[in-house]
Amino acid sequence: GDSVTQMEGPVTLSEEAFLTINCTYTATGYPSLFWYVQYPGEGLQLLLKATKADDKGSNKGFEATYRKETTSFHLEKGSVQVSDSAVYFCALSRGGGADGLTFGKGTHLIIQP
Amino acid sequence: NAGVTQTPKFRILKIGQSMTLQCTQDMNHNYMYWYRQDPGMGLKLIYYSVGAGITDKGEVPNGYNVSRSTTEDFPLRLELAAPSQTSVYFCASSFEGGGTEAFFGQGTRLTVV
Repeated sequence: GDSVTQMEGPVTLSEEAFLTINCTYTATGYPSLFWYVQYPGEGLQLLLKATKADDKGSNKGFEATYRKETTSFHLEKGSVQVSDSAVYFCALSRGGGADGLTFGKGTHLIIQP
Repeated sequence: NAGVTQTPKFRILKIGQSMTLQCTQDMNHNYMYWYRQDPGMGLKLIYYSVGAGITDKGEVPNGYNVSRSTTEDFPLRLELAAPSQTSVYFCASSFEGGGTEAFFGQGTRLTVV
């Protein structure tokens, strides 16, 4: 079945550091790929997405590129802020599928001032 | 816009009790989902619905039931609560399946003692 693997946390960085959170997937067909973010005490919010190979999703300084050849969708940001501290989930949805998202386990990001 | 609203936010149940987690959305979305989130495990799909009167099982449906009598509401019923159902429950909705954004409620933290 489908699966998503992302790097384990917590990941602790200093403010203004470069961020990479790795995400790889296994899926049949051509899934859509997502990064969701969960701030403390809240539900998940969509951060960015990509629906086909080589697409780049971007939002709030975060970027991720859909790499079909390496089945990856790594999240990057050039300069993190304390306000970026949250849990980040990589997820996939099979094309046209109604049966929801398959999530990775989540990566807890902690940014220190 | 309220988006996706879940009630209650917190609940403690005794083993064997029953309860209904409420979820309503005001975005006229056809697709609705229930997930559970366990520590370090990401989110797992319990049930989903593609429209009023249509529901289907997700990855972890045992011990739960759902109904979808209207587009807006998608309640989750727990019968005979067990400690294994201690979790955070999230309801979500989307306009379509596949590559469209899912909107999440703030979650219900349930403890079964």
